[in-house]
Amino acid sequence: DAGVIQSPRHEVTEMGQEVTLRCKPISGHDYLFWYRQTMMRGLELLIYFNNNVPIDDSGMPEDRFSAKMPNASFSTLKIQPSEPRDSAVYFCASSLFNFGTGELFFGEGSRLTVL
Amino acid sequence: GESVGLHLPTLSVQEGDNSIINCAYSNSASDYFIWYKQESGKGPQFIIDIRSNMDKRQGQRVTVLLNKTVKHLSLQIAATQPGDSAVYFCAENRNSGYSTLTFGKGTMLLVSP
Repeated sequence: DAGVIQSPRHEVTEMGQEVTLRCKPISGHDYLFWYRQTMMRGLELLIYFNNNVPIDDSGMPEDRFSAKMPNASFSTLKIQPSEPRDSAVYFCASSLFNFGTGELFFGEGSRLTVL
Repeated sequence: GESVGLHLPTLSVQEGDNSIINCAYSNSASDYFIWYKQESGKGPQFIIDIRSNMDKRQGQRVTVLLNKTVKHLSLQIAATQPGDSAVYFCAENRNSGYSTLTFGKGTMLLVSP
């Protein structure tokens, strides 16, 4: 398996623009996570899905952020409108088991810069 | 140790040395702990985990020690190699679901040949 695949790897955009980040989880994994990583705050959970259903979105910063998982092999994280403080690395991760193993498989991340 | 600002604590070692990376966790109710490794430009990668009913667990070249009394976790890497250079994160959870999984801010390990 190729692992968790994220795109784009890098995105530079201007304030106010819409940003869409994409994720393909590992086939067969039924948990999918979106994390944001910054130097100040470290890794923060934004939202996670189980069997394509959002379970906890309490980490989503505000209404400008939305995430969808239309099927088991694809998820998007959208920011509209984007702001400079959204600049971060966004990671998608997937997992097979109910929590207990801690083994989340992370993608390589999407580095977002909002000017 | 854990970062308290913008700069990650850094541990510099020579190739072949043993490395010890420390982590102070925050929640006394946490009962599950994980170490992740993050290489530059990549996502975090699971290394080893330990449950609160254990105080030591060994993997290949790595050992995790847990001291619940002082809420301290450490990762020992034997015979450190240049490929071990990365940022290492500890994470804690209360076994109540993924929402409560909390990552520390990490320690950078630099291994010199």
